Amino acid sequence: DAKTTQPNSMESNEEEPVHLPCNHSTISGTDYIHWYRQLPSQGPEYVIHGLTSNVNNRMASLAIAEDRKSSTLILHRATLRDAAVYYCILRAGSEKLVFGKGTKLTVNP
Amino acid sequence: ETGVTQTPRHLVMGMTNKKSLKCEQHLGHNAMYWYKQSAKKPLELMFVYNFKEQTENNSVPSRFSPECPNSSHLFLHLHTLQPEDSALYLCASSQRHEQYFGPGTRLTVT
Repeated sequence: DAKTTQPNSMESNEEEPVHLPCNHSTISGTDYIHWYRQLPSQGPEYVIHGLTSNVNNRMASLAIAEDRKSSTLILHRATLRDAAVYYCILRAGSEKLVFGKGTKLTVNP
Repeated sequence: ETGVTQTPRHLVMGMTNKKSLKCEQHLGHNAMYWYKQSAKKPLELMFVYNFKEQTENNSVPSRFSPECPNSSHLFLHLHTLQPEDSALYLCASSQRHEQYFGPGTRLTVT
């Protein structure tokens, strides 16, 4: 399975943007970059995914480096409800999701 | 609400008990999954079902027995579990790229 590297934890202030980095230097051409998050005491929640171009949805934006060896999940205005563990996962087609340890995001009021 | 429900939400069982976890998805998805999340460990995939057929068993001990009677329902039958099986058991479903997770069943084996 292709691997990703994320910081163990990050902190942010409420209403400020948050940039969550992910390195995936061994990504293959068919790997999609997926982001999930897990709020306390809940199951994981799909956030966003992309292949080559930057992607936006109502939850977040995904910025993908030109060489695809890294990506950044952007929360435009963090709220307390965004405090969660964020997982960056590479997945080719319908292959299984392999979760790592993710980044624990703390949002300060 | 993700469209995936799990019951019970909490379960305490002894090592000699037999119990079942239930998952139901209301999304019309064709694939369903069981995951295990132990304390301070990443989520581990246990089983995958596509169109009711098991397509992956991730070396799970036989004391965990999955059942998928139709595309909307998934069960995990438990028997003679060990204390180290205590964990959060998560069900998910998918159609294409995104997986939708249920809230999980918090299992404690005493």
